[in-house]
Amino acid sequence: EAQVTQNPRYLITVTGKKLTVTCSQNMNHEYMSWYRQDPGLGLRQIYYSMNVEVTDKGDVPEGYKVSRKEKRNFPLILESPSPNQTSLYFCASRDFLSSYNEQFFGPGTRLTVL
Amino acid sequence: SQKIEQNSEALNIQEGKTATLTCNYTNYSPAYLQWYRQDPGRGPVFLLLIRENEKEKRKERLKVTFDTTLKQSLFHITASQPADSATYLCLAAGGYNKLIFGAGTRLAVHP
Repeated sequence: EAQVTQNPRYLITVTGKKLTVTCSQNMNHEYMSWYRQDPGLGLRQIYYSMNVEVTDKGDVPEGYKVSRKEKRNFPLILESPSPNQTSLYFCASRDFLSSYNEQFFGPGTRLTVL
Repeated sequence: SQKIEQNSEALNIQEGKTATLTCNYTNYSPAYLQWYRQDPGRGPVFLLLIRENEKEKRKERLKVTFDTTLKQSLFHITASQPADSATYLCLAAGGYNKLIFGAGTRLAVHP
């Protein structure tokens, strides 16, 4: 089944404790992206990657890191999480050859930073 | 700054009626707009795309319009059903990976 998977789905952590949220897609998509979703603000892009070893900042990159060593994986790293990073996070992927430019989203990771 | 605005208030309609959702954009000229559906606790799912040179697109009971003069897209669901209840997100895309989502409008279809 074609899908984007994220782990963990739920995470409660404390300020300053480094964490990684994994994202993997099995559709051989070149493009991958991370978003955070907050009430009233919609989805805001954190980082995106056009292909392996190619990453760039989105609208809200502060406090986050990413890497793209393999085409299928795009982990999101919070080196020193803070309470304002409490949010719902989505990973997405996209096929550049698709005429619809649609993004396929993962199920989301709900992160709480105490 | 570039902005995408959707009605923040929930839209409540009766089953069988047409639901119309609005997406307005400012300080922006998107090359295309997309509409996604999001159910509680799940990731958005793509529904439709319309490009700047297109006026209207349809898919089954869904219709989307794009008015570059009004800087607005309308999303219609005809013969709405309770199963259509969800949050609908508008995305505008332009430039090099400039993707902007609206905050979404929650639709509730009552039997």
